[in-house]
Formats: sequence, structure tokens, C-alpha cells
Amino acid sequence: KNEVEQSPQNLTAQEGEFITINCSYSVGISALHWLQQHPGGGIVSLFMLSSGKKKHGRLIATINIQEKHSSLHITASHPRDSAVYICAAVLPLFSGNTPLVFGKGTRLSVIA
Amino acid sequence: NAGVTQTPKFQVLKTGQSMTLQCAQDMNHNSMYWYRQDPGMGLRLIYYSASEGTTDKGEVPNGYNVSRLNKREFSLRLESAAPSQTSVYFCASSEARLGGWWETQYFGPGTRLLVL
Repeated sequence: KNEVEQSPQNLTAQEGEFITINCSYSVGISALHWLQQHPGGGIVSLFMLSSGKKKHGRLIATINIQEKHSSLHITASHPRDSAVYICAAVLPLFSGNTPLVFGKGTRLSVIA
Repeated sequence: NAGVTQTPKFQVLKTGQSMTLQCAQDMNHNSMYWYRQDPGMGLRLIYYSASEGTTDKGEVPNGYNVSRLNKREFSLRLESAAPSQTSVYFCASSEARLGGWWETQYFGPGTRLLVL
């Protein structure tokens, strides 16, 4: 069974810290999404990556398709960054698998 | 723009009852999706509709049916609810025509379903 692994499962940080969340996948993928789920349950798409790096504000996402690994970095973390961060791998079309497989999420708490 | 809306927000069913979860988007998106989210399991794709008039199974389609009523609306039906279908259901949409796997998906607020 295809599986997307995220680490760590839970992360507590002090305000201002640099945070890294990792996502890896065991088979080839064509792209990867990073999502944020707020404490109230709402889900927002942060990035879609197929190569290299993307930056939005204090969030940076990187991916190495060949190494099957992606990271989400948060610089100068703030309590409002507290959320669950989810990665989702896009499988090759016509692979016979479901096209999109999600990790179980990393729960981030940033303490003031 | 309301984005993606879902009704109801919360529902309690008895085993064997049927219900339809409604989803609508006002962004003129081509693709729509239904997911379920369970504790410890993460999000899982139930069904998706790459474009109006087409639907395809995702990872966990058993026990569900879908209808892409028009470009705006994509409903999810439970014909005979089971306790294993207790979950939070999310609808999403994206602009892409051939399944929005490489584009941003916009999520609805979710429907919390409890099957007793």
C-alpha cells in the first residue's frame, strides 16, 4: 500500500523558532501538495510543488522528486502558525492507484 | 464569493439510514472532490469528478455514490449508513479540467457525520 510519511507527528516550538516538517514517499510521484488545517477544521492549500522550492511569506517548501522527499519550513514562527500541516502526494496518472495520497499530518503548536 | 459550501454542517444518522451530503462551488471550477478525514488516518479521497458529467472512484469509494449534478454541484450519497462511515467529510474543487491534481484545491468547511 502506498504511504506518505510525515515527521514529526507533533511539534511544539517557541515563538520565533525556525520549524521544519518533513514528508517522504516510497514510490515515484509527480508532485506534492502542502496543506494547512486550522484548529477549527478548515483546510487551506499552501503549496503545490513538482520541483525546486516555493516561498510564500514566512513559509518555504522544497521538494526533491528523485529522493522522494519534501520539507515545509516556517521562519520566525508565531502562535498563529499553530495548525496541522498535511502533505499529499500526486501519483502518476494511470498507475491504477488513487491519484492523491495524504500524510497523516504534523500537529504544530507555537508557544508565545 | 462563497467559495465551496457544504450542507449540512453536522448530521446524526442511525445505521441503515440514507442521506446526501451537498457541495457547491461558485468559482466556475471544473474538478470537484469528496474526502473523508478520520482520526489517525488522514484525508482519503472517496470520489472525484474531473469535469461535469464524469466521476471516478478514489481510495475508499465503497458505500458511497456521487452525482455531478452540474458544474457547480457535486453530491455524495450514503445509501445505507454504517458506523464505519462516521467521519468528517470535505468537499473540494479546483480549476483544472483533467483532475486538479497539480493545482490548488479549495476546500469546503466540512460535514461532521455521526452514524449510530
